This record gives sequence, structure tokens and C-alpha cells, in this order.
Amino acid sequence: DTGVSQNPRHKITKRGQNVTFRCDPISEHNRLYWYRQTLGQGPEFLTYFQNEAQLEKSRLLSDRFSAERPKGSFSTLEIQRTEQGDSAMYLCASTHLAGLTDTQYFGPGTRLTVL
Amino acid sequence: DAKTTQPPSMDCAEGRAANLPCNHSTISGNEYVYWYRQIHSQGPQYIIHGLKNNETNEMASLIITEDRKSSTLILPHATLRDTAVYYCIVRVANYGGSQGNLIFGKGTKLSVKP
Repeated sequence: DTGVSQNPRHKITKRGQNVTFRCDPISEHNRLYWYRQTLGQGPEFLTYFQNEAQLEKSRLLSDRFSAERPKGSFSTLEIQRTEQGDSAMYLCASTHLAGLTDTQYFGPGTRLTVL
Repeated sequence: DAKTTQPPSMDCAEGRAANLPCNHSTISGNEYVYWYRQIHSQGPQYIIHGLKNNETNEMASLIITEDRKSSTLILPHATLRDTAVYYCIVRVANYGGSQGNLIFGKGTKLSVKP
């Protein structure tokens, strides 16, 4: 168990550019979540996957955002035409859903700065 | 999911117990209490969770009142590395495979001082 990893850890981009982040969950975890965290706030839910299926998207996830989890393993989050308001920490969490409770384990996050 | 209330900040002397309170007066019978912490610029770290019984692990103890309307996270011997934002989260059990995302508030910023 090597934990959840995210790449890159930091990304600086210019407004209007596209960016893609990757999340590698803990092996055999069947659920994967994406959250966004802005300065001084707690993380906010963006979307989640059960295996390869994307089951829910929050209203925070505008149509410029897209997420995939092609084989039920790693996931990518792409932001097209970035805006300064997209600057935030993007966090990924994974869990194995079985029974009544589960524990989400978070990665270190990708900090995005849009200039 | 029920709402939680936590003090915005607390101080604790190094080596002493840190007791972090959380109110969740609208908690339902099938909702668990989870605690996470976030050290500066890192992802949230799971600490502990419980339903109604007190729980203890290698990191902390969780004390839930009998009416389940409040709880306290106890770090028995706080160190400088425990300085972090601590989040108390109430979350419904995964009946029927519900969405299950965590709803974070602003948490309590714990500062452990030498």
C-alpha cells in the first residue's frame, strides 16, 4: 500500500490553457473522489467514480471540467480554457466501498495556479 | 448529512492532551462521526471515526456523548507535528451505495506550542 499519489504536485499555467491532473488511487480501491480546496476553506466535492463509472458530478464542475477513470484504476481531471478562479488545490481520495462504512484516503493534492 | 460546529482555533501546549470539541446536534441514527486533519499544504489525513461507542486508535481517541449530539477528539500527548486544521464530519452510512462524499466545514486550527 503506497497511498494515493497525484501528479503533478504543482502546476502554473496561463489563463486559457488546458491542464490535466492525474490521480493513482490505492490498489483495488473501487471508489475515487475528486475535491477542490480554495484558500481558507475545506475541500469541496467535485465528482466521484465507482470503478470506471462516473456516478455524480457537483454543480462546481462546470462543462470546462472533465474527469475519467478509464479502467477503474487511475483517474484524470482535465480543465479546459482555465480561468483565474480555477486556482485551487485539487485533491483526490480513494476508498474501498464494502459494508456500512468506509474510509477515504487522500493524496497530497495538485496545486493549480492560473496566471 | 448533519451539520457540525467547531471552534475556529485552539492552542495546546506540547506534551499536553489536546481536546477538540464538535457539535452535531442534528445527527441521525445512521450517521457516523469522522475526524480528519490537514497539515499545511498536504492532503487531509484520516484520524478516526465512530457511531456511538468511544473509539481509540494509535493516533487519537474519539469520545461521543450518549445522546450523540457532540463529540471530542483527544490527542493524548500533542506534539508540534500535530499542528493542523482538524475537521469533524458527520456522514451517513453507505446504505445502498450512496454517494458518500465528505462534506468539510472550516474545521479547527490547532496550534501546538512549545
